[in-house]
Amino acid sequence: EPEVTQTPSHQVTQMGQEVILRCVPISNHLYFYWYRQILGQKVEFLVSFYNNEISEKSEIFDDQFSVERPDGSNFTLKIRSTKLEDSAMYFCASRDSSGGALGGLYEQYFGPGTRLTVT
Amino acid sequence: AQSVTQLDSHVSVSEGTPVLLRCNYSSSYSPSLFWYVQHPNKGLQLLLKYTSAATLVKGINGFEAEFKKSETSFHLTKPSAHMSDAAEYFCVVYRTGRRALTFGSGTRLQVQP
Repeated sequence: EPEVTQTPSHQVTQMGQEVILRCVPISNHLYFYWYRQILGQKVEFLVSFYNNEISEKSEIFDDQFSVERPDGSNFTLKIRSTKLEDSAMYFCASRDSSGGALGGLYEQYFGPGTRLTVT
Repeated sequence: AQSVTQLDSHVSVSEGTPVLLRCNYSSSYSPSLFWYVQHPNKGLQLLLKYTSAATLVKGINGFEAEFKKSETSFHLTKPSAHMSDAAEYFCVVYRTGRRALTFGSGTRLQVQP
C-alpha cells in the first residue's frame, strides 16, 4: 500500500540554525500539508499546498517557515532560524484530488513524522 | 469555528472488554468528523469518517462511531479490545474555513492482558 514517507525521523539542531524537513507524498496526490505537534499538545495545522503554491496557512506559519516542492516527488518544510519553541513532531500529509479544493471529506494520508529537537 | 474536545486523555481497558473513547464537537453546522489512530513510531491512520451519509459509521479493525447531533458527540467504540489497539486516538473535525483538519488533544488507549 502506498504511504507517505518523511526524513529524517529525528533531527537535532541548534537554535538559530536552518532545518529542512523532507516528505515524499503518495505519488498521485495533489494536495500537501504540514502539521506539527508540540509535546503534550494538540496536532496543529501549519500549511496546505496545491499547484505549487500555498493554499492556506495558519497563524503559526510565519516568515521563518517556507514550503517547496522542488521536484515531482518531494515536499519540504524549511525553518529558517530555529527557536527552542519549534521543537515538535512535524507531520506531512497528502491527499488526492477527490472533492476538489474543498476536499474536506476525503482522507489525508499522514507520514510517520519527524521529531525536531532544537537545543 | 469547528473544534473537538476529547474528554479523556487516558483510557485503560482489559483485553476482550469494550472500548469507549469520547469526543464532543462544536460546529455551527453539520461537520465532517474523523477518528485517526497513531501507533508508536507510525503515521496517523484514518479509522473512520462521518460525512452526513449515516449516523453510525463503521471503520477499520472493528471500530465504529455514532454521530449524535443532539449530544454533539462522536464517540468511538469497539466491542472487544485487542492488545494491538493500544495507541493514541485523535478525534478530528474538518475546518471548512481553514480547509484543514483540527485535532483533539488525543486519548491514549492502554489495553491490559
